[in-house]
Amino acid sequence: KAGVTQTPRYLIKTRGQQVTLSCSPISGHRSVSWYQQTPGQGLQFLFEYFSETQRNKGNFPGRFSGRQFSNSRSEMNVSTLELGDSALYLCASSPTLDRRANVLTFGAGSRLTVL
Amino acid sequence: AQTVTQSQPEMSVQEAETVTLSCTYDTSENNYYLFWYKQPPSRQMILVIRQEAYKQQNATENRFSVNFQKAAKSFSLKISDSQLGDTAMYFCAFMKHSIYGGSQGNLIFGKGTKLSVKP
Repeated sequence: KAGVTQTPRYLIKTRGQQVTLSCSPISGHRSVSWYQQTPGQGLQFLFEYFSETQRNKGNFPGRFSGRQFSNSRSEMNVSTLELGDSALYLCASSPTLDRRANVLTFGAGSRLTVL
Repeated sequence: AQTVTQSQPEMSVQEAETVTLSCTYDTSENNYYLFWYKQPPSRQMILVIRQEAYKQQNATENRFSVNFQKAAKSFSLKISDSQLGDTAMYFCAFMKHSIYGGSQGNLIFGKGTKLSVKP
């Protein structure tokens, strides 16, 4: 069974640009969530999608957005990049309506560097 | 709001010995889940162990066990017979029970404990 796949794994952008990150969940998982990991702030929840609907959102500015497609694949977008957006962005998926529904499986992450 | 605190930024242990990582949390929720995740250097985060708050029995997974003290809001991880492959960042995390009956994906993480296992 394939794991959570995130693309691209590494990318470099400059301030003011925008970026789109992609996440393919484990087959059958309908919940996809995103996290930002930085040395200073640690791991912070961005948002969670289920059945193409955002169910939960963390405390991030509107420059951070996401969406989920009918096949459960998800994308997140960061517009008008700032230096502080440099981070490892982690995607996680989880099954629904079973006893392990709260267990998240993480992808390897997309490491974004903003210059 | 919920918070998770890991008071040990770094720890080290000799191979084959036992080590305990500490975690405390703050919440007004009664139904929730607690987790320990492991993130090896340059590798992806994986689940170590999960505890459901309504269960009094401490969870165990092979060499990993927890000491869950609900009243004290404490959730420590014990690693027995430490192995070199246990070297990693360990994150304690909290998730409140979802009204949807499944995951809301909203894990609240501690800052992590960097564990080094020495040969």
